[in-house]
Amino acid sequence: AQSVSQHNHHVILSEAASLELGCNYSYGGTVNLFWYVQYPGQHLQLLLKYFSGDPLVKGIKGFEAEFIKSKFSFNLRKPSVQWSDTAEYFCAVNAAGGSYIPTFGRGTSLIVHP
Amino acid sequence: DAGVIQSPRHEVTEMGQEVTLRCKPISGHNSLFWYRQTMMRGLELLIYFNNNVPIDDSGMPEDRFSAKMPNASFSTLKIQPSEPRDSAVYFCASSYASGFGELFFGEGSRLTVL
Repeated sequence: AQSVSQHNHHVILSEAASLELGCNYSYGGTVNLFWYVQYPGQHLQLLLKYFSGDPLVKGIKGFEAEFIKSKFSFNLRKPSVQWSDTAEYFCAVNAAGGSYIPTFGRGTSLIVHP
Repeated sequence: DAGVIQSPRHEVTEMGQEVTLRCKPISGHNSLFWYRQTMMRGLELLIYFNNNVPIDDSGMPEDRFSAKMPNASFSTLKIQPSEPRDSAVYFCASSYASGFGELFFGEGSRLTVL
């Protein structure tokens, strides 16, 4: 079974700072990778996803993530955060070609100060 | 298109009472997931249905929890009897066959058991 580790539980930044949230997974096979965002009081929404092809994936709101297979990582980045990016961020993984049941990380809480 | 619809959005009940949470997945989606979210345990998968059939219910905490999916457009999660430790936000999510496991979440049902 796969597992997902998000190293940063809480991140506090000022507006315009750069963001990188770590995500590592453990699974030996081919995977599909996702980042979801949960704004305060709302449901989870897809931020970006990787299935195959270019390992640098661009998502909504200026976010991007890079899949590094050798490091089993799928880190989320944004060059300049905004106050509206304050949210909880979840990394998720499933086994490609399998049942597609995702495994979620514990999440990272991001607070951006104006 | 309507997203995943959950009801009720908020439920406050007393210990020992029966609680029923409802979910309508997105039309055409063939997989449905129930998740529970708490501060302590994060996002936990309770049960997963594929084509209305329960595939994995290993996350269901105990016999007090049960879930059904009588047809492709409706699912229920029942807790009987409820306990204060069941207080959480319960999310329903659905996905489609060729979606590689991308989940579409409902708004959630916030349950408080007094």
